[in-house]
Amino acid sequence: QQPVQSPQAVILREGEDAVINCSSSKALYSVHWYRQKHGEAPVFLMILLKGGEQKGHEKISASFNEKKQQSSLYLTASQLSYSGTYFCGTLGTDKLIFGTGTRLQVFP
Amino acid sequence: DGGITQSPKYLFRKEGQNVTLSCEQNLNHDAMYWYRQDPGQGLRLIYYSQIVNDFQKGDIAEGYSVSREKKESFPLTVTSAQKNPTAFYLCASNLGGYGSYNEQFFGPGTRLTVL
Repeated sequence: QQPVQSPQAVILREGEDAVINCSSSKALYSVHWYRQKHGEAPVFLMILLKGGEQKGHEKISASFNEKKQQSSLYLTASQLSYSGTYFCGTLGTDKLIFGTGTRLQVFP
Repeated sequence: DGGITQSPKYLFRKEGQNVTLSCEQNLNHDAMYWYRQDPGQGLRLIYYSQIVNDFQKGDIAEGYSVSREKKESFPLTVTSAQKNPTAFYLCASNLGGYGSYNEQFFGPGTRLTVL
């Protein structure tokens, strides 16, 4: 039931791109994305809704493939501040179910 | 400023003692959640509440208890029955509603260590 994220870890140089995938065994109606820096609380990045509407407020994009039950987060021209662990969250009946997490490290 | 506060930030407990973690929000959110996070791991749901005086067990509720007597408060008690309570505990809230598409806001967390 827990969404599976891939890859588990990514190492980048500043300016490089990365893609993080989130796959669910159940039908998706919405997908949340969060980023957590070490020792801190997760911070909301965006929500993707069934039908294509995207709500978010950072310069990071994402896609939502209902047929494949998958969402992908795209980080382009990565910055040092992008480092952290990324979690997707899929909506259960009345709660979010968070994915396994992807650790991203960006080096100068 | 609106937000979620958790206290204390660090908590040390002797084995066999109960301890209560505080979570308060002034966002006027209906739904509140408690998560446990172990080093290098994801977020596991302990308990959640969609409305006052009602709450449901999450995936790892054993050894924990909660109450929701006020909309803004959702304290978590870690009992002596929890065999391995050392972890980072996160409280969260959102507007709620079944099938909610609203973002979750997280508190700063409490790091509990059992000695």
